[in-house]
Amino acid sequence: GESVGLHLPTLSVQEGDNSIINCAYSNSASDYFIWYKQESGKGPQFIIDIRSNMDKRQGQRVTVLLNKTVKHLSLQIAATQPGDSAVYFCAVTSGGSYIPTFGRGTSLIVHP
Amino acid sequence: NAGVMQNPRHLVRRRGQEARLRCSPMKGHSHVYWYRQLPEEGLKFMVYLQKENIIDESGMPKERFSAEFPKEGPSILRIQQVVRGDSAAYFCASSPERNTDTQYFGPGTRLTVL
Repeated sequence: GESVGLHLPTLSVQEGDNSIINCAYSNSASDYFIWYKQESGKGPQFIIDIRSNMDKRQGQRVTVLLNKTVKHLSLQIAATQPGDSAVYFCAVTSGGSYIPTFGRGTSLIVHP
Repeated sequence: NAGVMQNPRHLVRRRGQEARLRCSPMKGHSHVYWYRQLPEEGLKFMVYLQKENIIDESGMPKERFSAEFPKEGPSILRIQQVVRGDSAAYFCASSPERNTDTQYFGPGTRLTVL
């Protein structure tokens, strides 16, 4: 099976700094990766995804990097804002499965 | 375009009672997934349904838990004879096609068992 872990349970940054949230996965057959943002009391919100045939994908202020060699995934948030404060989860899907495996989450705290 | 809707948002039950959680998928979505989230943890898959069919219930406890997605109306996750360990947030997600991997989540139902 798949196991997904995050390196840090909590990340504190100053407003305006760049944030990097990391995620490691175990299954080399994993082929689809998603980052979700979950604010307190709300459901997970899709941020960005990447497939295994890519190593980088950019959105608005967010970039996802995929390193298949070491089975590592990161989410970079540029110019972090207080509204970015939330728990961030990576989710990994393997081999055509429709069921993602979620990591435990990193709580991002942005100080004004 | 309404997103995934879940109700109730908060549900309090005493031990031994039944809990019914409802989920209406996004318009045009015919696939529904239920997840459970315990405090400080990620989401754990429970069950995947299409209209009138349970496709995968491998993550759902064999006893007391059941799910359905009827032809008309919302999907329902039913927990019979609730115990304190059932206290958690239950999230529903939907997708238009199984092969479309992105799932869109509802706001969740927070179940508290007294």
